[in-house]
Amino acid sequence: NAGVTQTPKFRVLKTGQSMTLLCAQDMNHEYMYWYRQDPGMGLRLIHYSVGEGTTAKGEVPDGYNVSRLKKQNFLLGLESAAPSQTSVYFCASSYSPGTSKNEQFFGPGTRLTVL
Amino acid sequence: SQQGEEDPQALSIQEGENATMNCSYKTSINNLQWYRQNSGRGLVHLILIRSNEREKHSGRLRVTLDTSKKSSSLLITASRAADTASYFCATAVYNNNDMRFGAGTRLTVKP
Repeated sequence: NAGVTQTPKFRVLKTGQSMTLLCAQDMNHEYMYWYRQDPGMGLRLIHYSVGEGTTAKGEVPDGYNVSRLKKQNFLLGLESAAPSQTSVYFCASSYSPGTSKNEQFFGPGTRLTVL
Repeated sequence: SQQGEEDPQALSIQEGENATMNCSYKTSINNLQWYRQNSGRGLVHLILIRSNEREKHSGRLRVTLDTSKKSSSLLITASRAADTASYFCATAVYNNNDMRFGAGTRLTVKP
C-alpha cells in the first residue's frame, strides 16, 4: 500500500510556464484534495473532488485547474505560473466526510518555486 | 479564510513535560481533527472528535471539545523529543465537503 503519492517532489518554473502535478492514491477513496501551504500558514484548499469526474473549488482556486478522470488520480494544473504560486502543494484523500472514516491521508508534498 | 486558529503559535518544553495546544473556530462543525506535520513532510492524522463528543483519548493524546466556546485542546502527556512537530487543527463543517486548517502550533521538545 503506497498510500498517497505525488509527483514531482520538486519543481522550478519560470513565470508564465505551465505544469501539472499528479496525485495518486491506492486506498479506493472517493474524496481527493489539493492544498497549498505557505510559510507560517496552515493548509489552504485549492480544489477538491468528491468522486471520479467531479471537481469543486476550494478556498483559493484562482490560477489552478484540476481533473479527476480516474478515481485514483487527481491532477492539479497551473496554466501560467506566477511567483505568488510558489508554495508547497499537498494532495490528500479520504472516504466521504459523511462517514465515520473522515481522516485525510496526505502525500509527501511538492515544493514548487516560480521565478 | 481559515476556520481554525491554534494557540500558541510556538511552544517549547522539556522532555517529560506535558504540552497543551488550543484551537478556536468560527462556525458550527461536524467534527474536529488534529494533525501532526514533521518538518518537510505531509500531515499525519492524530485524532478526530465529533461535535457530540467532549473528550477523546488516544495513547498519550487527549483532545477536548467545547462546542459552546467553539474551541478544542490537544494535550500531549509525557512529551518526547520525537513529538517535535507542527500541530494543526482542522474542522469539518456541516453540509460542506472540505475541511479548514488552522495555521498550526510549532512544538519543540528539548531532550
